[in-house]
Amino acid sequence: GAVVSQHPSRVICKSGTSVKIECRSLDFQATTMFWYRQFPKQSLMLMATSNEGSKATYEQGVEKDKFLINHASLTLSTLTVTSAHPEDSSFYICSATRDRGILKANAEAFFGQGTRLTVV
Amino acid sequence: DQQVKQNSPSLSVQEGRISILNCDYTNSMFDYFLWYKKYPAEGPTFLISISSIKDKNEDGRFTVFLNKSAKHLSLHIVPSQPGDSAVYFCAASDEISNQFYFGTGTSLTVIP
Repeated sequence: GAVVSQHPSRVICKSGTSVKIECRSLDFQATTMFWYRQFPKQSLMLMATSNEGSKATYEQGVEKDKFLINHASLTLSTLTVTSAHPEDSSFYICSATRDRGILKANAEAFFGQGTRLTVV
Repeated sequence: DQQVKQNSPSLSVQEGRISILNCDYTNSMFDYFLWYKKYPAEGPTFLISISSIKDKNEDGRFTVFLNKSAKHLSLHIVPSQPGDSAVYFCAASDEISNQFYFGTGTSLTVIP
């Protein structure tokens, strides 16, 4: 099956620094990638939708200047948490979808393994 | 506005019995539904899906039922096993946006 690789799986950074998280689709071209954040005991919260070659679409309440998303190619999207603060500590997950096509076959979102960010 | 809802945050079931996880949605444009299983500190993994043209899809111990008129779907796991203990998310998608909307998850505990 399709694989999405997310890196790093765990990162600890100092307050005020920036952290970059990579999301790669390994065996398919992902025109659309999604970035989620999960708080403890809560659902996956969609942060932004990333389309290759265009600006990301951010959900309401998500600061686009703080969470920079770049989708430079069909297999790579990056999320950069700028000037990180302890409240940014969370579990970040990316996902990628293949083109559903006419038959809508195998239409599913493939997830990365997630990144545990801890800001100290 | 939560378009996909899982009203039961947790569920405990005895090993060997049936687990039934429920999910409701509000958007009639949704035409594809999925269930994901998630262990702590890991990304969700795909479990089973169903298209809106069907009302049932079965894969081994897992069966998903879709009631379009009620905008309701459910996941049945039978027999339940301790390894099934995880958080289960239902998700819905529509052809136009290709975006996935997730429920809030149900934490399933299967008691040995």
